[in-house]
Amino acid sequence: GENVEQHPSTLSVQEGDSAVIKCTYSDSASNYFPWYKQELGKRPQLIIDIRSNVGEKKDQRIAVTLNKTAKHFSLHITETQPEDSAVYFCAASPYSSASKIIFGSGTRLSIRP
Amino acid sequence: ETGVTQTPRHLVMGMTNKKSLKCEQHLGHNAMYWYKQSAKKPLELMFVYSLEERVENNSVPSRFSPECPNSSHLFLHLHTLQPEDSALYLCASSQDPVGNSPLHFGNGTRLTVT
Repeated sequence: GENVEQHPSTLSVQEGDSAVIKCTYSDSASNYFPWYKQELGKRPQLIIDIRSNVGEKKDQRIAVTLNKTAKHFSLHITETQPEDSAVYFCAASPYSSASKIIFGSGTRLSIRP
Repeated sequence: ETGVTQTPRHLVMGMTNKKSLKCEQHLGHNAMYWYKQSAKKPLELMFVYSLEERVENNSVPSRFSPECPNSSHLFLHLHTLQPEDSALYLCASSQDPVGNSPLHFGNGTRLTVT
């Protein structure tokens, strides 16, 4: 079946450094790629998303890049801060159906002071 | 403040019990979802409702029974569960039941089956 691979599963970076999380997907019909952040004991929240007609999108310290040919997309967090510590999930879905969204297994990001 | 509210936050039940999870969204969205979140596994979609009609059931065992009485409320009725059903159950809503409509999640119900 279709799947989304997410790496790494855990990531520890020094405060102020950058963090990169990568995902690959298998369904060539996918054209919407959201990223969700889930802090400990809280709900997942959308932090950024990208559509297939765009190669890169940036929002302050967060950016996402998409390579549709290679079927991979990445989340970049610059100047990391303690509040960036959380689990991050990537996902991929076709526009046509919300029931076909597939999530990655998550990356636990820890920011070292 | 949250646009999607779930109750209870925690639930412990025996395998012979019957219980229900409740979800309410205050965002005026047209689609609601139940997801299962288990440790170190991707979020698993269980059910999708669009304007109170079920549009997807991802091969979920019949011991899980959803109910959507209106576009703002969603229930998950539980009966004769198994220990492996212990997980965080997340409700979500989106503007429309299409793939590029962002999901808004509730805080979840942490379910433990003993």
